[in-house]
Amino acid sequence: GQNIDQPTEMTATEGAIVQINCTYQTSGFNGLFWYQQHAGEAPTFLSYNVLDGLEEKGRFSSFLSRSKGYSYLLLKELQMKDSASYLCAVMDSNYQLIWGAGTKLIIKP
Amino acid sequence: ETGVTQTPRHLVMGMTNKKSLKCEQHLGHNAMYWYKQSAKKPLELMFVYSLEERVENNSVPSRFSPECPNSSHLFLHLHTLQPEDSALYLCASSQETTDLFEGNTEAFFGQGTRLTVV
Repeated sequence: GQNIDQPTEMTATEGAIVQINCTYQTSGFNGLFWYQQHAGEAPTFLSYNVLDGLEEKGRFSSFLSRSKGYSYLLLKELQMKDSASYLCAVMDSNYQLIWGAGTKLIIKP
Repeated sequence: ETGVTQTPRHLVMGMTNKKSLKCEQHLGHNAMYWYKQSAKKPLELMFVYSLEERVENNSVPSRFSPECPNSSHLFLHLHTLQPEDSALYLCASSQETTDLFEGNTEAFFGQGTRLTVV
């Protein structure tokens, strides 16, 4: 079966760095997405990786290793507004998105 | 206008009621989706419409009935629901492409409808 694993919850301190991991087993791979979802709001797109390596976008970076079925989202200089759930999703061979359950990130002052 | 708009934002319905959820996208996308989001569970894909044709329904119970009259509008008709159907229902749209390097393949989500079945 297809499976996306990510930690259920993480806690970090304002101003620090946090890494959220995602491992996947899917039938085929056509890219990996990270989304941010604040409580009661819609998920919003953060990043897309289809090739191995690191993609950087301001304070957020996303890394992919296809051979290991592994990705991480790195958040730097954490701010209180970064408290949210972070969803990992993989596009499979049928171009359908397979979603993880999300990682709830709690930022403490 | 926001890219993807859903109405209503909140809905409480009895098990014998019939109601409909509405979704509208203003992004010119060619695919639209209904997802169910329950607490601490992955997003569950319910229906996919590509170019107004239904291509996926993932074995959703018949008490959920989708309708896509055109590429900008998507409905989810609900009847005789069960309490376990209470969840956040999210609509999304995207521009489907097989060119992985084209970019702009991400899905855009509406704010969702929080449904409670009593």
